[in-house]
Amino acid sequence: ETGVTQTPRHLVMGMTNKKSLKCEQHLGHNAMYWYKQSAKKPLELMFVYNFKEQTENNSVPSRFSPECPNSSHLFLHLHTLQPEDSALYLCASSQDTQGEDTQYFGPGTRLTVL
Amino acid sequence: KNEVEQSPQNLTAQEGEFITINCSYSVGISALHWLQQHPGGGIVSLFMLSSGKKKHGRLIATINIQEKHSSLHITASHPRDSAVYICAVPSYINTDKLIFGTGTRLQVFP
Repeated sequence: ETGVTQTPRHLVMGMTNKKSLKCEQHLGHNAMYWYKQSAKKPLELMFVYNFKEQTENNSVPSRFSPECPNSSHLFLHLHTLQPEDSALYLCASSQDTQGEDTQYFGPGTRLTVL
Repeated sequence: KNEVEQSPQNLTAQEGEFITINCSYSVGISALHWLQQHPGGGIVSLFMLSSGKKKHGRLIATINIQEKHSSLHITASHPRDSAVYICAVPSYINTDKLIFGTGTRLQVFP
């Protein structure tokens, strides 16, 4: 049990679908992150939330829409995705957003866009 | 921009061998992270270090701030150590953001 859960674990969707990824952390952390991991590429930061406020949007296309209703929950809403968006989407949390803070990762959602 | 490079990209070893994975970065940092990613995707944080050396079980991480280099060592390697090992450092411009290396894929055979 890492303390960070993600659902669903696997998702297959068409380009016209709308779906949402969910992340929940049970660690009492203030910061939450969305990362994208494509094959053969390093982890890419997408969004950072600190105390429910978005502090980083790493030039992510608008077809990805994050939502952070409270410090424990983070969503990633997906619409009109492209096949190249197929990847592993990882959620993480940390106490705060300092570079020295250890990030705790969820198991990821493997997304396939047809 | 902080660049992070890891070597080697792929590593195979026999059970019991001593393993070294290297990480170099281009700009001064406050901390460096070592992470482990198992097949299936789950990532576990192994170490965060800002100077010297840390040890946890068979894993040892060292960092040389002057040379901008860190190493992760695994003693008496075991097949269950097979994973991708990733180093990450805070961005020089925005320390809220981690910059990740491409990872080193380790396979340990019995």
